Amino acid sequence: AQTVTQSQPEMSVQEAETVTLSCTYDTSESDYYLFWYKQPPSRQMILVIRQEAYKQQNATENRFSVNFQKAAKSFSLKISDSQLGDAAMYFCAYRSLYGGSQGNLIFGKGTKLSVKP
Amino acid sequence: GAGVSQSPRYKVTKRGQDVTLRCDPISSHATLYWYQQALGQGPEFLTYFNYEAQPDKSGLPSDRFSAERPEGSISTLTIQRTEQRDSAMYRCASSLGTGNEQFFGPGTRLTVL
Repeated sequence: AQTVTQSQPEMSVQEAETVTLSCTYDTSESDYYLFWYKQPPSRQMILVIRQEAYKQQNATENRFSVNFQKAAKSFSLKISDSQLGDAAMYFCAYRSLYGGSQGNLIFGKGTKLSVKP
Repeated sequence: GAGVSQSPRYKVTKRGQDVTLRCDPISSHATLYWYQQALGQGPEFLTYFNYEAQPDKSGLPSDRFSAERPEGSISTLTIQRTEQRDSAMYRCASSLGTGNEQFFGPGTRLTVL
């Protein structure tokens, strides 16, 4: 069974600075998706960024980028130029790519990010 | 609808009562997922539907939990004889198919006293 581990329960960053959130996972599959979701105080689940494991290039979405290390099974999220609105819980998630897979997401326990003005 | 909706948004019930939670997915979406998110944890998979079929119930914590999607659209999650440990956020998500992006609803916060 696949597992996702986020070892940082809480992180803090100064506004306009850069912060990196860590995520590791365990799987025996070779193809899969990885995601970062943001959960603000409103408790909505917002997709931040996704990475296909078969792509070597790291995904980027504006100020958000990932460092995907497949061999190390590591998937960190870098937030550049942090803004007050980035304060939230961030969840790393895994999803199998295999045909016939039910496609459910497997989440880590989350990292609470605080942004200081 | 334009997005995934869930009702009620908040539910407080007494231990031993039955509760039913509703999810209204995006209208074109074949696949619907239910997740349970305890306080301070990430969401955990409960069950899913492809249209009205429910291929996997393995994530349901006990036989007190059941879900249905009789017409392949709206889904309900029912918890019988609720217990305090059932207190959590229950999230619904829908997608075009199992290989597509999931869109989450706002969740139902269940509190069992």
